[in-house]
Amino acid sequence: AQSVTQPDIHITVSEGASLELRCNYSYGATPYLFWYVQSPGQGLQLLLKYFSGDTLVQGIKGFEAEFKRSQSSFNLRKPSVHWSDAAEYFCAVESTDKLIFGTGTRLQVFP
Amino acid sequence: ETGVTQSPTHLIKTRGQQVTLRCSSQSGHNTVSWYQQALGQGPQFIFQYYREEKNGRGNFPPRFSGLQFPNYSSELNVNALELDDSALYLCASSLGGKSGGASGEQFFGPGTRLTVL
Repeated sequence: AQSVTQPDIHITVSEGASLELRCNYSYGATPYLFWYVQSPGQGLQLLLKYFSGDTLVQGIKGFEAEFKRSQSSFNLRKPSVHWSDAAEYFCAVESTDKLIFGTGTRLQVFP
Repeated sequence: ETGVTQSPTHLIKTRGQQVTLRCSSQSGHNTVSWYQQALGQGPQFIFQYYREEKNGRGNFPPRFSGLQFPNYSSELNVNALELDDSALYLCASSLGGKSGGASGEQFFGPGTRLTVL
């Protein structure tokens, strides 16, 4: 069955530090992969998506993610974190028009 | 361009009651998906409607039902509420179809926070 695993429940970084959030997926075919961000009390906002082509995808707010088929991973990165990046981050894979989400990683940013 | 809206924002119900949540899709979108997000969890797919027809259903009991209207807005109905139904209910709209595959980006509304006492 298709699934998404986000191994890190909670990550804390200092403002200005680099960030990498991990995501592993299980999917039989070529996956369509997404990263969403959710601020407290808000819905989900799409950061970036991978459908095909270049395995390094750029998103909004300075985020990027790299698709690695050999490792079944789609990790999210940002070179320098801002305090406003504190939020919950969800990785998702599309399966027949529905999204399957991981359990999320809560990012805390210290000044 | 109007985004996805949901009503109400918050709702408190007691066990056994019934609830209706509403979603207005983004202009031009013909597909609505509903997700349940329990506290500390990722969203779980409930079902999807495409052009007023159900286009898939997740692992939820029959007391979760819905419909889509000709203007592509949608309702989620939950009967015989249970404590475990307490969650954030998210609606997402997209321009998709029944062909499967990457149907395009799903745009999420802010959600309805349901509390069952």
